[in-house]
Amino acid sequence: ETGVTQTPRHLVMGMTNKKSLKCEQHLGHNAMYWYKQSAKKPLELMFVYNFKEQTENNSVPSRFSPECPNSSHLFLHLHTLQPEDSALYLCASSQLTGTGTLINEKLFFGSGTQLSVL
Amino acid sequence: DAKTTQPPSMDCAEGRAANLPCNHSTISGNEYVYWYRQIHSQGPQYIIHGLKNNETNEMASLIITEDRKSSTLILPHATLRDTAVYYCIVRGSGGYQKVTFGTGTKLQVIP
Repeated sequence: ETGVTQTPRHLVMGMTNKKSLKCEQHLGHNAMYWYKQSAKKPLELMFVYNFKEQTENNSVPSRFSPECPNSSHLFLHLHTLQPEDSALYLCASSQLTGTGTLINEKLFFGSGTQLSVL
Repeated sequence: DAKTTQPPSMDCAEGRAANLPCNHSTISGNEYVYWYRQIHSQGPQYIIHGLKNNETNEMASLIITEDRKSSTLILPHATLRDTAVYYCIVRGSGGYQKVTFGTGTKLQVIP
């Protein structure tokens, strides 16, 4: 148990569906991340939220829309996805200081959502 | 962040020490070496990190060469549950940093 919970664990959706992935961290961290891991590829950073503000959007297509309502929750809204978007989506959290300087380098990951787009 | 190079795969007999190497020849003075591992279809798990000195915790030991251009992660008594992909990452300590994962080393522990 890492203190980062992702739901659902598995998701199958059609290309016209709209769905959301949810991430919740119970560690009191103030930075949260979305990563994508396609089959046999390295993890790719998608989005970073630092104190609820988005600080990184790694050229992610607009069909992926993140939302961070507070420092404990992170969502990834999905719409009109493509089959090549099928992947393991991982959420992580870490602790940052008020100035944004990293004081705890460790990332804590959830177990991920395995997404299949048909 | 400095780039790292790791062998794509390694085998280790159960109960023996697993020594996983990592080259980071372009590392700069304020960059730490971090190790994570990822067991199949789960999120990566932090193992250990260090700057200059060797480090040890309940999971592993980290040996960093004096010139800091390479390091070795040591799992002292590998078990079947240590079968995973191991990632070596180098990153700075100040300000926001992207954590970039490479392809890592697939460690197979053999009974």
